[in-house]
Amino acid sequence: KAGVTQTPRYLIKTRGQQVTLSCSPISGHRSVSWYQQTPGQGLQFLFEYFSETQRNKGNFPGRFSGRQFSNSRSEMNVSTLELGDSALYLCASSLGGTGGSYNEQFFGPGTRLTVL
Amino acid sequence: AQSVAQPEDQVNVAEGNPLTVKCTYSVSGNPYLFWYVQYPNRGLQFLLKYITGDNLVKGSYGFEAEFNKSQTSFHLKKPSALVSDSALYFCAVRDGGYNKLIFGAGTRLAVHP
Repeated sequence: KAGVTQTPRYLIKTRGQQVTLSCSPISGHRSVSWYQQTPGQGLQFLFEYFSETQRNKGNFPGRFSGRQFSNSRSEMNVSTLELGDSALYLCASSLGGTGGSYNEQFFGPGTRLTVL
Repeated sequence: AQSVAQPEDQVNVAEGNPLTVKCTYSVSGNPYLFWYVQYPNRGLQFLLKYITGDNLVKGSYGFEAEFNKSQTSFHLKKPSALVSDSALYFCAVRDGGYNKLIFGAGTRLAVHP
């Protein structure tokens, strides 16, 4: 079974631009979560989508947005890029899991975004 | 709010020796705890989880972790370290009823030949 794939793997943008990152989950997985990893802040949760609905959100400004398609693929968008948005963006997929149940999350290799 | 702390930025151990990477947690309710490992230029790989049951959890690659409720700890252990275990290790706790994970700052493990 193929793992989580993220495209592109590397991206260079300039301040003020916008960027869209893509995540394809493992086949059959309906939940996709996004995380930002930086040396200073570590790993921080951005948001989670399940069956095309955002069901959880972290503490990031509105410039960070996402969506999920009917095939469970997800995209995240960052508008008006700032230097501080330079980071490794990781997505993770799982079957779902609510309440008392939990399904393991599998992470993709990440997209490294550099903002100049 | 849920949180985890990894008190050591780096752990150094000789190959063949036992290793321990420390994690303490602060949660309301029953914790769902995890360990992940990250190799350079790679995403996170799941090692093990504690949800309920036996306090000693066995995971991938010979790693195990001990859940200690009285000390609010979830330390990662391995009886005999390998050079290939050198990587960045993250402890995490589930926050809420869905898939949001709160990660610790990470501990860099260096295993020396």
